[in-house]
Amino acid sequence: DADVTQTPRNRITKTGKRIMLECSQTKGHDRMYWYRQDPGLGLRLIYYSFDVKDINKGEISDGYSVSRQAQAKFSLSLESAIPNQTALYFCAARGEYTEAFFGQGTRLTVV
Amino acid sequence: DAKTTQPPSMDCAEGRAANLPCNHSTISGNEYVYWYRQIHSQGPQYIIHGLKNNETNEMASLIITEDRKSSTLILPHATLRDTAVYYCARRPKDDKIIFGKGTRLHILP
Repeated sequence: DADVTQTPRNRITKTGKRIMLECSQTKGHDRMYWYRQDPGLGLRLIYYSFDVKDINKGEISDGYSVSRQAQAKFSLSLESAIPNQTALYFCAARGEYTEAFFGQGTRLTVV
Repeated sequence: DAKTTQPPSMDCAEGRAANLPCNHSTISGNEYVYWYRQIHSQGPQYIIHGLKNNETNEMASLIITEDRKSSTLILPHATLRDTAVYYCARRPKDDKIIFGKGTRLHILP
């Protein structure tokens, strides 16, 4: 069983639609992160959280929002999706003294 | 936050040591250096991390220069399964993890 699970794995949505990407973890880690990956640009941090209801902006938070209502779950929302948000999205979780564990990614296409 | 800088791609012959460099010239004294790798489009996997001293584990070795402005990940005996994108990352005291653009490593048979 994966430590960090992302759903859905693939999603195609239309411009202007609201979409939520879910992330859950089974290790009880307090720190969770959302990254976006585009070809040639590496991993860019969108939001991160250190505890329930703690939210911090990353490098590219515009157009995104997140929610951390439980320690195990960290969801990413696109309020009104646009085509340049087409990307591979990764969630990660880590404890204070551990490395980050990544999910398998969600491939989002906005048409 | 300044990112890390890595060459976009490298080749290494199978069985030889792969040495992947990373520049982090603006790193501060309490920031860790992390290395991850990503095979195809799977989630990145942790390899190794360090602060000041050189580190070694079953996967790799990490050499950090004395001034901490750069580091090198060493895969001692590269195999075809080591073909991946390798990311050097910084973890500053605010606990973000900041990745660079990565190096695509090709292992040549």
